[in-house]
Amino acid sequence: AQSVTQPDIHITVSEGASLELRCNYSYGATPYLFWYVQSPGQGLQLLLKYFSGDTLVQGIKGFEAEFKRSQSSFNLRKPSVHWSDAAEYFCAVGPTSGTYKYIFGTGTRLKVLA
Amino acid sequence: GAGVSQSPSNKVTEKGKDVELRCDPISGHTALYWYRQSLGQGLEFLIYFQGNSAPDKSGLPSDRFSAERTGGSVSTLTIQRTQQEDSAVYLCASSLGYLGNQPQHFGDGTRLSIL
Repeated sequence: AQSVTQPDIHITVSEGASLELRCNYSYGATPYLFWYVQSPGQGLQLLLKYFSGDTLVQGIKGFEAEFKRSQSSFNLRKPSVHWSDAAEYFCAVGPTSGTYKYIFGTGTRLKVLA
Repeated sequence: GAGVSQSPSNKVTEKGKDVELRCDPISGHTALYWYRQSLGQGLEFLIYFQGNSAPDKSGLPSDRFSAERTGGSVSTLTIQRTQQEDSAVYLCASSLGYLGNQPQHFGDGTRLSIL
C-alpha cells in the first residue's frame, strides 16, 4: 500500500536561512507527488507537483522540490526563508491506477525566527 | 468565486445537536473529497464523490456521519447527534477527476466545535 512519511514534525529556522523539508513515499512505480502548504485558519494550497520528466520542479513562493527515485524521496527546499513561510507543510501522493485516494503525510510545522 | 467554498467557516454547537457543513466545489470539477483534520493531525479521508458514481463512504467514522452531493456539484456533510470528539476542521477538496495527476483544490474548511 502507498504511504507517505514526513519524519520531521516541527522545524525551526531563522529568517533568511535555507530550508529543506523531508518527504519519503512508498510506492512501486513513479508516483504523482505534491507539496501543499496550510497557513493557520486556511485550507491547503498547492505549492508544486511532480509527474514525470525533470526531477527538479519549481513551485510558487520560491519553493522547489527534487524527486529522487533511488531514495524514494521528494524533499521540499527553499534557499532563503521568509517569516511568512511559517505554516504547516504536507507532502502527498496522488491516486494510482485503480484508486482515487490521495495519501497525505502527517505534516511538518515550520516556525521562522526573526 | 473561482475556488472551493465552504460554509460556515466556524460552527459552535452543543453536544447532541445535528450539524450540516456545505461545500461548493470549483465549477467543472467532478471529484469531491471530504477530510477531517483534528488539532495537530494530518488529513483523515472521510468520503469521495466522482461524477454520478456511487460515493466511497469507507472513511466515515460512524453512522452518525453522512454526505450527499446534489447535481454533481454542491455537497453537504451531515453529522447527527454530535459528540465532543467530532470537534475538528472539516476540509473539502475538489479536482478535475480522480486521475493521480490532478491536484486537489481545497476550501478553507469549517472549524467545528462541540461544547
